[in-house]
Amino acid sequence: AQKITQTQPGMFVQEKEAVTLDCTYDTSDPSYGLFWYKQPSSGEMIFLIYQGSYDQQNATEGRYSLNFQKARKSANLVISASQLGDSAMYFCAMREGNTGNQFYFGTGTSLTVIP
Amino acid sequence: ETGVTQTPRHLVMGMTNKKSLKCEQHLGHNAMYWYKQSAKKPLELMFVYNFKEQTENNSVPSRFSPECPNSSHLFLHLHTLQPEDSALYLCASSQDYREETQYFGPGTRLLVL
Repeated sequence: AQKITQTQPGMFVQEKEAVTLDCTYDTSDPSYGLFWYKQPSSGEMIFLIYQGSYDQQNATEGRYSLNFQKARKSANLVISASQLGDSAMYFCAMREGNTGNQFYFGTGTSLTVIP
Repeated sequence: ETGVTQTPRHLVMGMTNKKSLKCEQHLGHNAMYWYKQSAKKPLELMFVYNFKEQTENNSVPSRFSPECPNSSHLFLHLHTLQPEDSALYLCASSQDYREETQYFGPGTRLLVL
């Protein structure tokens, strides 16, 4: 079974609108971390936001927020007030357990912001 | 200097060539990683180094040989590669291997002919 599932290969959003990128995960480990990364066409992976499995509140970082629903094993990324520069690939990832050895990425969602 | 740098950014090599990818991090981190990103596939973790010691080798073929001379530098030596090895190779670092957040370099786009 896939550890990280991103079901939206491509998404479009109007500039200044909000968009939600879906991510579900699969783990039986009680300790895990969830991440979102942005990858522009230049190739560099840019860390956006992190949510720990024991965190009570949803993580927020500026225009990014992570909608963490533990029982449903989902960790959707919400981008508010989309900007043209948000057009990129977005990857959901999970660190399982307490080591960096078990680190899994999804297949990504391509987001295009329309002016 | 940016956090994690990689050279070269692009590389074309024949199957009989030997080349090396270089990664350098300026963040004072102790853990470094090599990932392979192929089209339409999730990133694959290849190697993990913590304090210069290799802690993980995820069943990577021996034609890929990592080297970590110190906590700031990581190399990936390539020899007798196959066309299916063509991919984007990303280096990352974190404070240590238990640290949540990994910071990535821009990657080396490799084409094997």
